[in-house]
Amino acid sequence: NAGVTQTPKFQVLKTGQSMTLQCAQDMNHNSMYWYRQDPGMGLRLIYYSASEGTTDKGEVPNGYNVSRLNKREFSLRLESAAPSQTSVYFCASSEALWDARGNEQFFGPGTRLTVL
Amino acid sequence: KNQVEQSPQSLIILEGKNCTLQCNYTVSPFSNLRWYKQDTGRGPVSLTIMTFSENTKSNGRYTATLDADTKQSSLHITASQLSDSASYICVVSASGAGNKLVFGAGTILRVKS
Repeated sequence: NAGVTQTPKFQVLKTGQSMTLQCAQDMNHNSMYWYRQDPGMGLRLIYYSASEGTTDKGEVPNGYNVSRLNKREFSLRLESAAPSQTSVYFCASSEALWDARGNEQFFGPGTRLTVL
Repeated sequence: KNQVEQSPQSLIILEGKNCTLQCNYTVSPFSNLRWYKQDTGRGPVSLTIMTFSENTKSNGRYTATLDADTKQSSLHITASQLSDSASYICVVSASGAGNKLVFGAGTILRVKS
């Protein structure tokens, strides 16, 4: 099992460009999440999907959109990238929403995005 | 406001020594607390989870403690190894509707030989 995979690993964009970050999990998890990690700060939730067909905003959703393509895949789109979106993006998945006992979130390796 | 604060921000120790990392939280109502280890360039990996009724939990050389009254947790690493060099993140879950996670900023540990 590969767990949670993310592509690409690195990306450099110019301000105003768009791109989609891909995430897939092979653990048959229902819930998936997108976080961003900035220096000196804890991970912040961008969007989440409780189950296939549903998505909800997290703490910092502005400038992003998501698609839960199927049970395995959850993509994050930046429509018009801004320098403030320079960050490391992590996708995670869990059996059920949030972190009730036993529902550990498993994280992907991250995508390092730089917006010039 | 739900917050998780970790100390120290960074720490350097010699291989073989012990160390303790601290986590203070104001998350309420409390559900559980996890410690994650994040190696450089990788995603976080769970080390331990503790609920309200658990005071201590061990995972090999890692021992986590929880004092729900003072809202403090610690992660003790025994006989450190070079591979322990990583960021250690404290994550607290609030119970109830919208049971979201609150992440600390992490403590960066470097173990040197």
